[in-house]
Amino acid sequence: SYELTQPLSVSVALGQTARITCGGNNIGSKNVHWYQQKPGQAPVLVIYRDSNRPSGIPERFSGSNSGNTATLTISRAQAGDEADYYCQVWDSSTTWVFGGGTKLTVL
Amino acid sequence: QVQLVESGGGVVQPGGSLRLSCAASGFTFSSYGMHWVRQAPGKGLEWVAFIRYDGSNKYYADSVKGRFTISRDNSKNTLYLQMNSLRAEDTAVYYCAKERYSGYDSPLDYWGQGTLVTVSS
Repeated sequence: SYELTQPLSVSVALGQTARITCGGNNIGSKNVHWYQQKPGQAPVLVIYRDSNRPSGIPERFSGSNSGNTATLTISRAQAGDEADYYCQVWDSSTTWVFGGGTKLTVL
Repeated sequence: QVQLVESGGGVVQPGGSLRLSCAASGFTFSSYGMHWVRQAPGKGLEWVAFIRYDGSNKYYADSVKGRFTISRDNSKNTLYLQMNSLRAEDTAVYYCAKERYSGYDSPLDYWGQGTLVTVSS
């Protein structure tokens, strides 16, 4: 079965750049999507197909995907970016898969 | 605007059944595949089931296969999840979510607020 590995937590200083990774076997060959979830709220799509932003998502959010690692990058981090972030892919053997999630803390 | 509203959650005993509903509005429901995703208390997201726009294909996570059934009524703009033989480990908030475009690798672009299912004696 296909698995996605994320760090449990990432910390970033206010105004700096946060990078959240998502590891998977040859994940670079898949379309990776990223979701943000704040406490008590439903997830929100922030990046789809590796690097595309839905309307309404700030340009500070960007993504990349190559080899065995996909990365969500949040530039000029704000307090409001504190949340859990999940990567997700579709795999022909495992169907829809989510990473375990990463808690982003803005210091 | 797109709205997804889940209902039907509650407390049920182990071995019991429950049917969740997801009322959709603000988009052409019959044109989009739909998902159920759950989140156990304090845990991450777990995909549960998917149904194609016309109901022709359905997919399930191994953890619920044979116990849960996803269905839809396009005339009522409503998605369902019939849950049987419930276990304590099925306790979670259940979200319905819409695919962004047709295709299995589509992201889930709109989510409901979720409905809590608690399996406990």
